[in-house]
Amino acid sequence: DAKTTQPPSMDCAEGRAANLPCNHSTISGNEYVYWYRQIHSQGPQYIIHGLKNNETNEMASLIITEDRKSSTLILPHATLRDTAVYYCIVRPPTTSGTYKYIFGTGTRLKVLA
Amino acid sequence: DAGVTQSPTHLIKTRGQQVTLRCSPKSGHDTVSWYQQALGQGPQFIFQYYEEEERQRGNFPDRFSGHQFPNYSSELNVNALLLGDSALYLCASSFQPYSNQPQHFGDGTRLSIL
Repeated sequence: DAKTTQPPSMDCAEGRAANLPCNHSTISGNEYVYWYRQIHSQGPQYIIHGLKNNETNEMASLIITEDRKSSTLILPHATLRDTAVYYCIVRPPTTSGTYKYIFGTGTRLKVLA
Repeated sequence: DAGVTQSPTHLIKTRGQQVTLRCSPKSGHDTVSWYQQALGQGPQFIFQYYEEEERQRGNFPDRFSGHQFPNYSSELNVNALLLGDSALYLCASSFQPYSNQPQHFGDGTRLSIL
């Protein structure tokens, strides 16, 4: 019951920007969007999260559309080390008021030399 | 600043046995969540602990149980192991389960059932 839809795979040339899209058309007003990536045999690594404004940190930028139904993660200058599975997560609250992550199958990004 | 640590990194068990996996949260975090990740799939939520209580549970049988200690560390126990329990088990920690702060994951325990 993932609430997000992502393309299964993408390629990007090294040094170019990688733009990873995510559709979350059923998002509600107080749900944040989180992005993680997972390199083979490691745990998911937190990248960035946001509610409705665009966000930027040392790793990436997150662009959320005005209607909040989709977002794009931007890696400005992709390197070979950015090859990973990228997960977009909308975190719904549970009946107890706590939050849990529901992962989809993510986007497998391959950065090409 | 140590991140989330999990032990052991790898484990091999046989069907019917019991296993205990351990997790130490990131410094400053008080909430621990456990996930199961089968090969080629995204992580699936098992349960979450806060203030030494199970706060939320995913769609997993009672064979999966957990515990949180006063120092916020946590254990995941699985009884009567099945071949289908072979997976990467991930622990994630965060500051309080009601906040929007992100969870931070460990590198997991790879459990193989023979």
